[in-house]
Amino acid sequence: AQSVTQLDSHVSVSEGTPVLLRCNYSSSYSPSLFWYVQHPNKGLQLLLKYTSAATLVKGINGFEAEFKKSETSFHLTKPSAHMSDAAEYFCVVSDLRGTYKYIFGTGTRLKVLA
Amino acid sequence: NAGVTQTPKFRVLKTGQSMTLLCAQDMNHEYMYWYRQDPGMGLRLIHYSVGEGTTAKGEVPDGYNVSRLKKQNFLLGLESAAPSQTSVYFCASSYTSGNTNEQFFGPGTRLTVL
Repeated sequence: AQSVTQLDSHVSVSEGTPVLLRCNYSSSYSPSLFWYVQHPNKGLQLLLKYTSAATLVKGINGFEAEFKKSETSFHLTKPSAHMSDAAEYFCVVSDLRGTYKYIFGTGTRLKVLA
Repeated sequence: NAGVTQTPKFRVLKTGQSMTLLCAQDMNHEYMYWYRQDPGMGLRLIHYSVGEGTTAKGEVPDGYNVSRLKKQNFLLGLESAAPSQTSVYFCASSYTSGNTNEQFFGPGTRLTVL
């Protein structure tokens, strides 16, 4: 069985400071892992994905995430927050078999303070 | 190339009314999915399809039906709407390969049931 836990429902950072959004997963098989961003009243946009090629994954808008198998984590980071980063972020796990279904975390709402 | 489109964008129903949400994709994807998004709960899978003419239940299928008569379309039906079905509905489609299964999302349909 697969599951994903986003450890913080809300995170607040000041503009220009680092961002860390935490995600832990559970999977019986080698997973695919994703981070999506959702701005208010918008759809979901893919930030980055891990597909076993490299453990450090770089995404759009300066975000990156590191896959740590020993810690079953896939935390999202950004060196310097921008006001436009304020949004909700979802961590997703999916297996590479069968139905390829996504399991979503409950989301982390990022607030960026001026 | 429109990607994934959803019709309608907004809808208000009265309890007991029926409606159909249409999802269309032009990427020739085999897999299609319907999700609902509720505050604090991430996205939950309602139904999905792994190919034309096939459908299967997801995590929260009760009160919904689906059909996939054409590869590019995936319809979600509510036969007798209830206030608990007030939500934002997202459709997605995906391709699969050996090491990735990225889903592409539509813009969403905001449904209110009074």
